[in-house]
Amino acid sequence: DAKTTQPNSMESNEEEPVHLPCNHSTISGTDYIHWYRQLPSQGPEYVIHGLTSNVNNRMASLAIAEDRKSSTLILHRATLRDAAVYYCILRDGDMRFGAGTRLTVKP
Amino acid sequence: DADVTQTPRNRITKTGKRIMLECSQTKGHDRMYWYRQDPGLGLRLIYYSFDVKDINKGEISDGYSVSRQAQAKFSLSLESAIPNQTALYFCATSDRGASSYNEQFFGPGTRLTVL
Repeated sequence: DAKTTQPNSMESNEEEPVHLPCNHSTISGTDYIHWYRQLPSQGPEYVIHGLTSNVNNRMASLAIAEDRKSSTLILHRATLRDAAVYYCILRDGDMRFGAGTRLTVKP
Repeated sequence: DADVTQTPRNRITKTGKRIMLECSQTKGHDRMYWYRQDPGLGLRLIYYSFDVKDINKGEISDGYSVSRQAQAKFSLSLESAIPNQTALYFCATSDRGASSYNEQFFGPGTRLTVL
């Protein structure tokens, strides 16, 4: 199974942009790149997904490298509510979660 | 009201006891999943069901069984609980469509402690 590598933790200041990186050098051509986040004491929630092209939605943007071996989740203006564990997941069927990146947002 | 509900939310039990965790959904989704989460780790898939007559093992199914009683209900059982099954358990649902990109919706979780 293709795996992802994310930093264990990151910090951001409130109202500043946050770039959360993910490396997935063994990604296959059929793997979709998904991002979920888990707020404290809650189940994970979907953030965004993409295959080859960059994607935008109301929550975030996903920038995918041309060779697809890495991607970056972009939160354009971090809020305190964005403090969570962010998971980068490759999907060709099952979802395989790694340990994710714990994002701390400072006021 | 929550779309995916789990009962109980917290449970403490003893080694050897049979435990059932229940999941209900009002989203009308065909697919349901059970995951467990250990402290500091991501979620791991235990079982999943694509419809009432379809049950599949996930990454870590040993020691667990499931029942899909209806489209909206998916139960996870621990026949004889052991301490290393102490974890946070999540139920999730998703609609039909290619598994590669359909969104999963998670319940609030059940915290299970096995003494």
